[in-house]
Amino acid sequence: EPEVTQTPSHQVTQMGQEVILRCVPISNHLYFYWYRQILGQKVEFLVSFYNNEISEKSEIFDDQFSVERPDGSNFTLKIRSTKLEDSAMYFCASSQGQAFIEQYFGPGTRLTVT
Amino acid sequence: AQSVTQLGSHVSVSEGALVLLRCNYSSSVPPYLFWYVQYPNQGLQLLLKYTTGATLVKGINGFEAEFKKSETSFHLTKPSAHMSDAAEYFCAVSGSGNQFYFGTGTSLTVIP
Repeated sequence: EPEVTQTPSHQVTQMGQEVILRCVPISNHLYFYWYRQILGQKVEFLVSFYNNEISEKSEIFDDQFSVERPDGSNFTLKIRSTKLEDSAMYFCASSQGQAFIEQYFGPGTRLTVT
Repeated sequence: AQSVTQLGSHVSVSEGALVLLRCNYSSSVPPYLFWYVQYPNQGLQLLLKYTTGATLVKGINGFEAEFKKSETSFHLTKPSAHMSDAAEYFCAVSGSGNQFYFGTGTSLTVIP
């Protein structure tokens, strides 16, 4: 069964450093998303991406964040200058068509900022 | 706007007992409702969803949920808990736009 994959599974970085989290969505899906889950809190939407542009983003997704689909398979989330409060589990998701029908989630990348 | 409230961050049941995980939603548009399960070190796996039609929906692993518009609820149930059901369960709602709104999750412990 097709699945969303994410690398790395765990990333440790120092405050102020740039990180890139990588995702490979399901191959025939057209919509891509990033969510994050701070430890003990709810899963929060960050951004959605369709047709090579951001279609929706939350207040969390400020100028420190960017997304890119550099080729036909990868979908990346970049945090330009990490802060301690960026420590969280980051989930990538994708959907085939209408976004609100179903989204398939990856296993997540745990980001630890020290 | 949409939001989800999950009552009970931790639920413990005995093996073989009824599982009931509560979810109440708020939505300004007809909601689409979802339950996801997260096993340790794994991603979010869809258990079941309600979009339109029958209000009682059946999912994987013997779980089901009933959409009750009058109560704005979408509680998850399973008649008989199994040890393998121990996991984190998330209720989510969407209705328009691209994002899902998640609850804070309920950690289910199954006692042998």
